[in-house]
Amino acid sequence: EPEVTQTPSHQVTQMGQEVILRCVPISNHLYFYWYRQILGQKVEFLVSFYNNEISEKSEIFDDQFSVERPDGSNFTLKIRSTKLEDSAMYFCASKEETGHNEQFFGPGTRLTVL
Amino acid sequence: DQQVKQNSPSLSVQEGRISILNCDYTNSMFDYFLWYKKYPAEGPTFLISISSIKDKNEDGRFTVFLNKSAKHLSLHIVPSQPGDSAVYFCAASGYSGGGADGLTFGKGTHLIIQP
Repeated sequence: EPEVTQTPSHQVTQMGQEVILRCVPISNHLYFYWYRQILGQKVEFLVSFYNNEISEKSEIFDDQFSVERPDGSNFTLKIRSTKLEDSAMYFCASKEETGHNEQFFGPGTRLTVL
Repeated sequence: DQQVKQNSPSLSVQEGRISILNCDYTNSMFDYFLWYKKYPAEGPTFLISISSIKDKNEDGRFTVFLNKSAKHLSLHIVPSQPGDSAVYFCAASGYSGGGADGLTFGKGTHLIIQP
């Protein structure tokens, strides 16, 4: 069964450093998403991406964040200058272009900012 | 501002019995609702969904009920099995016909199935 994959599974970085989290969505899906879950809190929407541009973003997704689909398979989330409060699980999700709205999630990347 | 609320942080149910997980929402624009199951160190796994034009959707042991007037939905699992022990998230979105809408999640209910 096709699935969303994410790399790395765990990323440790120093405050102020740039990180890039990578995702490979399900191949026939056309909508891509990033979510995060801070430890002990709910899953929060960050951004959605469709047709090579951002469709929707939350207030969390400020200028420090960017997304890119550099080729036909990868979808990346870049955090330019990480802060301690960026420590969280980051989930990528994808959805096919039909009337249904089921998003399929990857296993997540645990980001730890020291 | 909790637009999707799961008021029970945990629920313990005996194996073989029915598990009922509840969810309330406040945003009238939501018209598509989903339940996800999550194990530790894994991503959320889609379970079942329901559109606001329906009041019930069933898939095997899982049934979701939607009461639009009360802005309430529930997930029933019958019979409950040990493998059902996980955190269950209720999620909601608008534009059920598609679109790039992000999902709004509740805080989750930790379901524990006891032997």
